[in-house]
Amino acid sequence: SAVISQKPSRDICQRGTSLTIQCQVDSQVTMMFWYRQQPGQSLTLIATANQGSEATYESGFVIDKFPISRPNLTFSTLTVSNMSPEDSSIYLCSVDARGSGANVLTFGAGSRLTVL
Amino acid sequence: RKEVEQDPGPFNVPEGATVAFNCTYSNSASQSFFWYRQDCRKEPKLLMSVYSSGNEDGRFTAQLNRASQYISLLIRDSKLSDSATYLCVVWVTSGTYKYIFGTGTRLKVLA
Repeated sequence: SAVISQKPSRDICQRGTSLTIQCQVDSQVTMMFWYRQQPGQSLTLIATANQGSEATYESGFVIDKFPISRPNLTFSTLTVSNMSPEDSSIYLCSVDARGSGANVLTFGAGSRLTVL
Repeated sequence: RKEVEQDPGPFNVPEGATVAFNCTYSNSASQSFFWYRQDCRKEPKLLMSVYSSGNEDGRFTAQLNRASQYISLLIRDSKLSDSATYLCVVWVTSGTYKYIFGTGTRLKVLA
């Protein structure tokens, strides 16, 4: 399956600043997703990162707050803009690493963000 | 109503016990189904896919009932190492393609 490198693994940020999370995959993948996992909660899909076009955002998430880039089939970034303590969460990059005719979702190790 | 629902637990069971988790989904356009396992402070990892005919992998058995929109996971002979959160995941293809996660069920296997 695909190997995903995600960085930073963790960061502590000040209110009002922005942080960009990078996701690098060792193979070309069609579908990349960004999830958020708040403390004690399950995963919530933020958006699907589309190569060469604007990301597709889920309800409750907007491009101004979470701009996403996907310049090619192996790389994507998620920026958390104008951060507040409510943005403290784990952000996870994932890819649909299809193989043997079955789709499989694989995750990076996550970026743990704390906003003070 | 959430698209994928699970009992959050926790389920506390003794070693060697059999435990079952259930999951219901609401989107009839759901195409594929999975169980993921998430250990504390780690990313989720695929445990097994769920097929209409049911499938087994060692001590783990997954079942799918499309008519009732219901998925189950059975763990036999529980081990201490099975302690984790089990996430029900659905692949939806209506309009957009995306994986939807359930809230997760916490399992703690006790010595």
